[in-house]
Amino acid sequence: EDKVVQSPLSLVVHEGDTVTLNCSYEVTNFRSLLWYKQEKKAPTFLFMLTSSGIEKKSGRLSSILDKKELFSILNITATQTGDSAIYLCAVDNQAGTALIFGKGTTLSVSS
Amino acid sequence: NAGVMQNPRHLVRRRGQEARLRCSPMKGHSHVYWYRQLPEEGLKFMVYLQKENIIDESGMPKERFSAEFPKEGPSILRIQQVVRGDSAAYFCASSPSRGGSYEQYFGPGTRLTVT
Repeated sequence: EDKVVQSPLSLVVHEGDTVTLNCSYEVTNFRSLLWYKQEKKAPTFLFMLTSSGIEKKSGRLSSILDKKELFSILNITATQTGDSAIYLCAVDNQAGTALIFGKGTTLSVSS
Repeated sequence: NAGVMQNPRHLVRRRGQEARLRCSPMKGHSHVYWYRQLPEEGLKFMVYLQKENIIDESGMPKERFSAEFPKEGPSILRIQQVVRGDSAAYFCASSPSRGGSYEQYFGPGTRLTVT
């Protein structure tokens, strides 16, 4: 059965800290891995990764994929209180039509 | 370009009533996906539709749940005879094509509470 596992499930840090969120997966026909940020409402798209070793960056956020070891990390540097959210990792497998989501990592950044 | 629209944002139903959730995809998107999110759980796929067609409903409960995406108008997720276990956030997402090459964009969700 295809699955996506995120760790840690929750994390509390102080403003300015750097955090690393993990996502490992087991899917039969991997096509892409996506990261979303969910605050109180809609998950908002962050990154889509399809190739190993190519880092994607957006401001203080960056992500990379390792297709050999079947995992991805999401890094957030110099965290701010506005980064507090649930970060969702999802995988698209070619066999299916839907995204397979992990349970998410709840990040709390205190000032 | 308006994003994915869902309404209502909050819906309260008594046990046994029907719930109808609506989703209008982003302009130019013809693929709609419905997901359910329970507390402490990730998003779980329910159904994938294109206009007038259900492509994959492998995540839908066999009874009481149905979905449609008519030629005109929004996609609708219908839950008949709701029970307390149906209380959850229901998210709709859309993409211009099948997921993979294109990310899915999510709506704000409908939070269903069954009393």
